[in-house]
Amino acid sequence: DGGITQSPKYLFRKEGQNVTLSCEQNLNHDAMYWYRQDPGQGLRLIYYSQIVNDFQKGDIAEGYSVSREKKESFPLTVTSAQKNPTAFYLCASRRTKGSGDTQYFGPGTRLTVL
Amino acid sequence: DAKTTQPPSMDCAEGRAANLPCNHSTISGNEYVYWYRQIHSQGPQYIIHGLKNNETNEMASLIITEDRKSSTLILPHATLRDTAVYYCIVRAYGGATNKLIFGTGTLLAVQP
Repeated sequence: DGGITQSPKYLFRKEGQNVTLSCEQNLNHDAMYWYRQDPGQGLRLIYYSQIVNDFQKGDIAEGYSVSREKKESFPLTVTSAQKNPTAFYLCASRRTKGSGDTQYFGPGTRLTVL
Repeated sequence: DAKTTQPPSMDCAEGRAANLPCNHSTISGNEYVYWYRQIHSQGPQYIIHGLKNNETNEMASLIITEDRKSSTLILPHATLRDTAVYYCIVRAYGGATNKLIFGTGTLLAVQP
């Protein structure tokens, strides 16, 4: 069954701690993305990767880090430097075809800082 | 990417067709129209996309006007599970970032 998985679904963190959010896809997609969604707002791009061992900062990369050692995996680390980390985090991967490219999303991880 | 305008909310009776409008008057010739929906506390779900021809898949139909300045997403037989926020996005194919810009969307409430 193909798709994108994110874990955990809910995550609680104490201030000052780093946490890593998992994102795995078995769709054989080259590109992967991390977005953040705050209540009542749209998505904001944190980081993206178009190929293994390469990634680029998005619009709000400060306080976050990523790695892309495997095509299937794109973990996001929320560091203690992120001032307001409580949010809903969404991972996506992209399929490219001749009639337009499409991103597919995982179920999301809700991070709460206590 | 072109900006889109959608009504903030709509109601639809279960079993009836839901027609969700989107205005994108500044769309460029190489920009596609994408529709996603997001059920509360879940990841966005891709629905359909098109360039200038009408499109249909197992979920919905997309009607794009001839001048491409507006479009309508049609859910032919809405069910309670279709209650969600629907996002209309206009963007060019590919691009270095390929990020999606979600606006505030339309909250579709399907009523029993």
